[in-house]
Amino acid sequence: ETGVTQSPTHLIKTRGQQVTLRCSSQSGHNTVSWYQQALGQGPQFIFQYYREEENGRGNFPPRFSGLQFPNYSSELNVNALELDDSALYLCASSPVPGQGQAFFGQGTRLTVV
Amino acid sequence: GENVEQHPSTLSVQEGDSAVIKCTYSDSASNYFPWYKQELGKRPQLIIDIRSNVGEKKDQRIAVTLNKTAKHFSLHITETQPEDSAVYFCAAPLYGGATNKLIFGTGTLLAVQP
Repeated sequence: ETGVTQSPTHLIKTRGQQVTLRCSSQSGHNTVSWYQQALGQGPQFIFQYYREEENGRGNFPPRFSGLQFPNYSSELNVNALELDDSALYLCASSPVPGQGQAFFGQGTRLTVV
Repeated sequence: GENVEQHPSTLSVQEGDSAVIKCTYSDSASNYFPWYKQELGKRPQLIIDIRSNVGEKKDQRIAVTLNKTAKHFSLHITETQPEDSAVYFCAAPLYGGATNKLIFGTGTLLAVQP
């Protein structure tokens, strides 16, 4: 186990709705990254948060946004859900921004219908 | 930005045989190459990683080799066991040296036949 926890584990939403996913980082880790893993593919980097600020972003539209809290936990928000947003959303924590190993949580399985 | 290609997409071996998975990358500034194992329905698990200042790293039955000139790195699993069956992903930094902003390969489904 990595000590990274995510909630909820599964979620079903309707197209057009908004969703919030949550992540608690491993103890001592101040950096949180979010990834999207579509079925049969590798994880894709969405963005990273450090000191409550976005610290790098992948090729995802602005309707994907995030937050980081003083205790280093993080949220991923997705607005105007599309069917293609159905995926496993993974959170990874690291001890420092931009460096060190990335340890993943168990993920949230989002299904958009 | 970086681009990572991974081969093969599927690999079937007999228990006890060796398995090799290969990845290539495009950005010569990349300096960190992790490998993740993902069992069905579970999280990607970091199994081994290598930095660009070494050519090989071993951890029991698992080894990773790196050829910086050719821009490729490989995962070697010896004496495979049924519990090694999983999807394996290679990765590289998405931008230069940011080792925890990763771009992943497309994955290799390894099946170890008893």
